[in-house]
Amino acid sequence: GQQLNQSPQSMFIQEGEDVSMNCTSSSIFNTWLWYKQDPGEGPVLLIALYKAGELTSNGRLTAQFGITRKDSFLNISASIPSDVGIYFCAGGLYGGSQGNLIFGKGTKLSVKP
Amino acid sequence: AAGVIQSPRHLIKEKRETATLKCYPIPRHDTVYWYQQGPGQDPQFLISFYEKMQSDKGSIPDRFSAQQFSDYHSELNMSSLELGDSALYFCASSSTTGAYEQYFGPGTRLTVT
Repeated sequence: GQQLNQSPQSMFIQEGEDVSMNCTSSSIFNTWLWYKQDPGEGPVLLIALYKAGELTSNGRLTAQFGITRKDSFLNISASIPSDVGIYFCAGGLYGGSQGNLIFGKGTKLSVKP
Repeated sequence: AAGVIQSPRHLIKEKRETATLKCYPIPRHDTVYWYQQGPGQDPQFLISFYEKMQSDKGSIPDRFSAQQFSDYHSELNMSSLELGDSALYFCASSSTTGAYEQYFGPGTRLTVT
């Protein structure tokens, strides 16, 4: 099946540092979304991207829809302890069923105070 | 703002028993999705419903069935439970105009013993 390659798998950073993670695929996507999940809870939608090249911010978070439509990245600036969690990218496949999302394997973020 | 409601939050069943999980979508959302998430895994799409009709099917076992009712709530029925069915089960909802923007509920943790 279709796969999203999300990297890095985990990150351990100092509070205040900037963070960058990305998702790539060999397939073209109509939509890219980024979610954050805390342990035992449901993923929370952070940012949704709909156009190639689109750059969208949500507070300290910035995400971009790659020009080739095969990748996306998420940046977190000035990380704080509550940024800890697992970040998932998800893509809506071009030509796929409406609303059918494919998830990456996640990036686990740990922040050292 | 109202969120997706799932019940129960925790469920313990024995092998070969049945379980029913319920999901109440965000008001005015007409599409419901069910996901299964094993430990350390990304959410795996099971099935979705739009306007009470099944709209897409993923890796849902034949032992599982689901439906969406006239008030848009959905139920996931699981029979002949196996140890491997132990997981977090999430429901997500979206509106027609924002089909890819799926909002997840808090999940039901199912433990099969």
